[in-house]
Amino acid sequence: GNSVTQMEGPVTLSEEAFLTINCTYTATGYPSLFWYVQYPGEGLQLLLKATKADDKGSNKGFEATYRKETTSFHLEKGSVQVSDSAVYFCALRTSNTNAGKSTFGDGTTLTVKP
Amino acid sequence: NAGVMQNPRHLVRRRGQEARLRCSPMKGHSHVYWYRQLPEEGLKFMVYLQKENIIDESGMPKERFSAEFPKEGPSILRIQQVVRGDSAAYFCASVPTGGSYEQYFGPGTRLTVT
Repeated sequence: GNSVTQMEGPVTLSEEAFLTINCTYTATGYPSLFWYVQYPGEGLQLLLKATKADDKGSNKGFEATYRKETTSFHLEKGSVQVSDSAVYFCALRTSNTNAGKSTFGDGTTLTVKP
Repeated sequence: NAGVMQNPRHLVRRRGQEARLRCSPMKGHSHVYWYRQLPEEGLKFMVYLQKENIIDESGMPKERFSAEFPKEGPSILRIQQVVRGDSAAYFCASVPTGGSYEQYFGPGTRLTVT
Protein backbone atom coordinates (compact mmCIF):
# COMPACT_ATOMS: atom_id res chain seq x y z
CA GLY A 1 0.00 0.00 0.00
CA ASN A 2 0.87 3.67 -0.08
CA SER A 3 2.75 5.36 2.73
CA VAL A 4 4.41 8.68 3.54
CA THR A 5 7.22 9.13 6.02
CA GLN A 6 8.04 12.56 7.32
CA MET A 7 10.90 13.86 9.35
CA GLU A 8 9.94 13.76 12.98
CA GLY A 9 9.49 17.00 14.85
CA PRO A 10 9.21 19.24 16.49
CA VAL A 11 11.52 21.55 14.60
CA THR A 12 12.52 24.83 16.22
CA LEU A 13 14.32 27.50 14.20
CA SER A 14 15.27 31.12 14.59
CA GLU A 15 13.77 33.66 12.24
CA GLU A 16 15.53 33.81 8.85
CA ALA A 17 17.00 30.32 9.25
CA PHE A 18 16.89 27.75 6.44
CA LEU A 19 14.20 25.10 6.66
CA THR A 20 14.19 21.54 5.38
CA ILE A 21 11.48 19.02 6.24
CA ASN A 22 12.16 15.61 4.74
CA CYS A 23 9.46 13.52 3.14
CA THR A 24 9.77 10.15 1.45
CA TYR A 25 7.03 7.98 0.05
CA THR A 26 6.08 4.52 -1.13
CA ALA A 27 3.38 4.24 -3.73
CA THR A 28 2.03 2.09 -6.51
CA GLY A 29 1.77 3.88 -9.80
CA TYR A 30 2.72 7.51 -10.29
CA PRO A 31 1.53 9.63 -7.40
CA SER A 32 0.95 13.33 -7.17
CA LEU A 33 2.66 14.85 -4.15
CA PHE A 34 1.48 17.61 -1.86
CA TRP A 35 2.50 19.69 1.12
CA TYR A 36 -0.25 20.99 3.37
CA VAL A 37 0.03 23.45 6.25
CA GLN A 38 -2.20 23.46 9.31
CA TYR A 39 -2.28 26.44 11.66
CA PRO A 40 -3.48 25.90 15.23
CA GLY A 41 -7.17 25.10 15.41
CA GLU A 42 -7.62 25.32 11.66
CA GLY A 43 -8.02 23.01 8.70
CA LEU A 44 -5.53 22.04 6.03
CA GLN A 45 -4.38 24.50 3.44
CA LEU A 46 -2.63 23.31 0.32
CA LEU A 47 0.85 24.82 0.30
CA LEU A 48 2.23 23.36 -2.94
CA LYS A 49 2.01 20.36 -5.21
CA ALA A 50 3.87 18.46 -7.92
CA THR A 51 2.16 16.03 -10.24
CA LYS A 52 5.06 14.35 -12.06
CA ALA A 53 8.72 13.53 -11.63
CA ASP A 54 11.13 16.50 -11.59
CA ASP A 55 8.31 18.99 -11.14
CA LYS A 56 9.01 21.69 -8.59
CA GLY A 57 6.13 23.04 -6.55
CA SER A 58 6.54 26.47 -5.00
CA ASN A 59 4.46 28.93 -3.01
CA LYS A 60 5.12 31.70 -0.46
CA GLY A 61 8.87 31.04 -0.55
CA PHE A 62 8.47 27.29 0.03
CA GLU A 63 9.69 24.80 -2.55
CA ALA A 64 9.70 21.04 -3.04
CA THR A 65 10.94 18.94 -5.97
CA TYR A 66 9.42 15.61 -6.93
CA ARG A 67 12.37 13.17 -7.00
CA LYS A 68 11.28 9.84 -8.41
CA GLU A 69 14.72 8.24 -8.09
CA THR A 70 14.84 8.86 -4.34
CA THR A 71 11.04 8.79 -3.83
CA SER A 72 11.29 12.07 -1.99
CA PHE A 73 9.54 15.44 -1.82
CA HIS A 74 11.47 17.48 0.72
CA LEU A 75 10.09 20.88 1.72
CA GLU A 76 12.51 23.83 1.84
CA LYS A 77 12.41 27.52 2.58
CA GLY A 78 15.39 29.82 2.53
CA SER A 79 14.38 32.18 5.31
CA VAL A 80 11.58 31.30 7.72
CA GLN A 81 9.38 33.78 9.54
CA VAL A 82 7.55 33.56 12.85
CA SER A 83 4.31 33.37 10.87
CA ASP A 84 5.48 30.07 9.31
CA SER A 85 5.01 28.35 12.66
CA ALA A 86 2.52 25.55 11.97
CA VAL A 87 2.24 21.83 11.34
CA TYR A 88 3.30 20.67 7.88
CA PHE A 89 1.95 17.51 6.25
CA CYS A 90 3.35 15.69 3.26
CA ALA A 91 0.77 13.72 1.28
CA LEU A 92 0.36 11.73 -1.89
CA ARG A 93 -2.49 10.79 -4.14
CA THR A 94 -2.11 8.09 -6.76
CA SER A 95 -4.77 9.27 -9.12
CA ASN A 96 -6.29 12.53 -10.22
CA THR A 97 -9.53 10.71 -10.71
CA ASN A 98 -12.18 10.89 -8.09
CA ALA A 99 -11.16 7.56 -6.62
CA GLY A 100 -7.84 8.87 -5.41
CA LYS A 101 -7.80 9.15 -1.65
CA SER A 102 -4.87 10.93 -0.05
CA THR A 103 -2.26 9.32 2.18
CA PHE A 104 -0.68 11.62 4.75
CA GLY A 105 2.47 11.66 6.80
CA ASP A 106 2.19 12.22 10.52
CA GLY A 107 3.07 15.90 10.30
CA THR A 108 6.03 17.98 11.41
CA THR A 109 5.53 20.82 13.85
CA LEU A 110 7.61 23.90 13.05
CA THR A 111 8.17 26.65 15.60
CA VAL A 112 10.01 29.78 14.50
CA LYS A 113 11.36 32.01 17.26
CA PRO A 114 12.00 35.74 16.75
CA ASN B 1 -17.20 30.20 -4.75
CA ALA B 2 -17.52 29.25 -1.12
CA GLY B 3 -15.11 26.63 0.11
CA VAL B 4 -15.92 23.29 1.69
CA MET B 5 -18.10 23.88 4.72
CA GLN B 6 -18.27 21.73 7.81
CA ASN B 7 -20.47 22.07 10.83
CA PRO B 8 -20.40 22.16 13.66
CA ARG B 9 -16.81 23.29 14.09
CA HIS B 10 -16.74 21.97 17.64
CA LEU B 11 -18.91 19.23 19.07
CA VAL B 12 -18.97 17.88 22.61
CA ARG B 13 -20.70 14.61 23.33
CA ARG B 14 -20.94 12.41 26.39
CA ARG B 15 -20.01 8.76 26.08
CA GLY B 16 -22.86 6.79 24.55
CA GLN B 17 -24.39 9.70 22.67
CA GLU B 18 -24.54 10.09 18.90
CA ALA B 19 -22.45 12.54 16.90
CA ARG B 20 -23.50 13.88 13.50
CA LEU B 21 -20.96 15.76 11.44
CA ARG B 22 -21.94 17.61 8.28
CA CYS B 23 -19.97 18.48 5.18
CA SER B 24 -21.13 20.63 2.27
CA PRO B 25 -18.75 20.30 -0.68
CA MET B 26 -17.79 23.13 -2.94
CA LYS B 27 -20.21 24.05 -5.70
CA GLY B 28 -19.74 21.74 -8.65
CA HIS B 29 -18.12 19.03 -6.53
CA SER B 30 -20.00 15.76 -6.25
CA HIS B 31 -17.36 13.64 -4.54
CA VAL B 32 -16.64 13.76 -0.82
CA TYR B 33 -13.93 12.16 1.32
CA TRP B 34 -13.85 11.96 5.11
CA TYR B 35 -10.61 11.84 7.10
CA ARG B 36 -9.92 11.55 10.83
CA GLN B 37 -7.03 13.19 12.62
CA LEU B 38 -6.24 11.82 16.04
CA PRO B 39 -4.20 14.04 18.37
CA GLU B 40 -0.57 14.41 17.27
CA GLU B 41 -1.16 12.31 14.15
CA GLY B 42 -1.72 12.78 10.46
CA LEU B 43 -5.00 12.42 8.65
CA LYS B 44 -6.31 8.93 8.01
CA PHE B 45 -8.76 8.16 5.22
CA MET B 46 -12.16 6.92 6.31
CA VAL B 47 -14.63 6.91 3.42
CA TYR B 48 -15.21 8.20 -0.10
CA LEU B 49 -18.73 8.96 -1.30
CA GLN B 50 -20.46 10.15 -4.40
CA LYS B 51 -24.05 11.31 -4.42
CA GLU B 52 -26.14 8.44 -3.02
CA ASN B 53 -23.22 5.99 -3.24
CA ILE B 54 -20.43 4.81 -0.97
CA ILE B 55 -17.46 4.15 -3.24
CA ASP B 56 -14.72 3.20 -0.76
CA GLU B 57 -15.23 2.68 2.96
CA SER B 58 -12.04 0.77 3.61
CA GLY B 59 -10.98 3.18 6.36
CA MET B 60 -14.22 3.17 8.31
CA PRO B 61 -14.34 1.36 11.65
CA LYS B 62 -16.56 -1.67 11.32
CA GLU B 63 -19.00 -0.64 14.03
CA ARG B 64 -20.77 2.56 15.11
CA PHE B 65 -19.60 4.64 12.13
CA SER B 66 -21.65 5.35 9.02
CA ALA B 67 -21.64 7.93 6.26
CA GLU B 68 -24.03 9.11 3.62
CA PHE B 69 -24.17 11.68 0.85
CA PRO B 70 -27.79 12.10 -0.20
CA LYS B 71 -28.97 13.50 -3.50
CA GLU B 72 -29.87 16.73 -1.75
CA GLY B 73 -28.07 18.19 1.22
CA PRO B 74 -24.73 17.72 2.89
CA SER B 75 -22.74 14.59 3.50
CA ILE B 76 -23.20 13.23 7.02
CA LEU B 77 -20.71 11.27 9.10
CA ARG B 78 -22.55 9.59 11.94
CA ILE B 79 -20.95 8.08 15.01
CA GLN B 80 -23.21 6.12 17.30
CA GLN B 81 -22.53 5.46 20.98
CA VAL B 82 -19.40 7.56 21.02
CA VAL B 83 -16.42 6.60 23.16
CA ARG B 84 -13.47 8.69 24.34
CA GLY B 85 -11.29 7.25 21.60
CA ASP B 86 -13.52 8.92 19.00
CA SER B 87 -12.26 12.32 20.14
CA ALA B 88 -10.50 13.71 17.08
CA ALA B 89 -10.72 16.25 14.31
CA TYR B 90 -12.79 15.07 11.35
CA PHE B 91 -12.09 16.65 8.00
CA CYS B 92 -13.93 16.34 4.76
CA ALA B 93 -12.57 17.08 1.33
CA SER B 94 -14.29 17.44 -2.01
CA VAL B 95 -13.24 17.01 -5.62
CA PRO B 96 -14.80 18.40 -8.80
CA THR B 97 -17.02 16.05 -10.76
CA GLY B 98 -14.51 15.90 -13.60
CA GLY B 99 -11.56 14.99 -11.38
CA SER B 100 -8.66 16.97 -10.01
CA TYR B 101 -5.16 16.45 -8.66
CA GLU B 102 -6.14 18.44 -5.60
CA GLN B 103 -8.63 17.70 -2.88
CA TYR B 104 -10.21 20.74 -1.24
CA PHE B 105 -10.41 20.47 2.52
CA GLY B 106 -12.93 21.90 4.92
CA PRO B 107 -12.01 23.47 8.29
CA GLY B 108 -12.85 20.31 10.22
CA THR B 109 -15.09 19.36 13.12
CA ARG B 110 -13.38 18.84 16.44
CA LEU B 111 -15.23 16.18 18.39
CA THR B 112 -14.64 15.87 22.11
CA VAL B 113 -16.15 12.95 23.99
CA THR B 114 -16.42 13.46 27.74
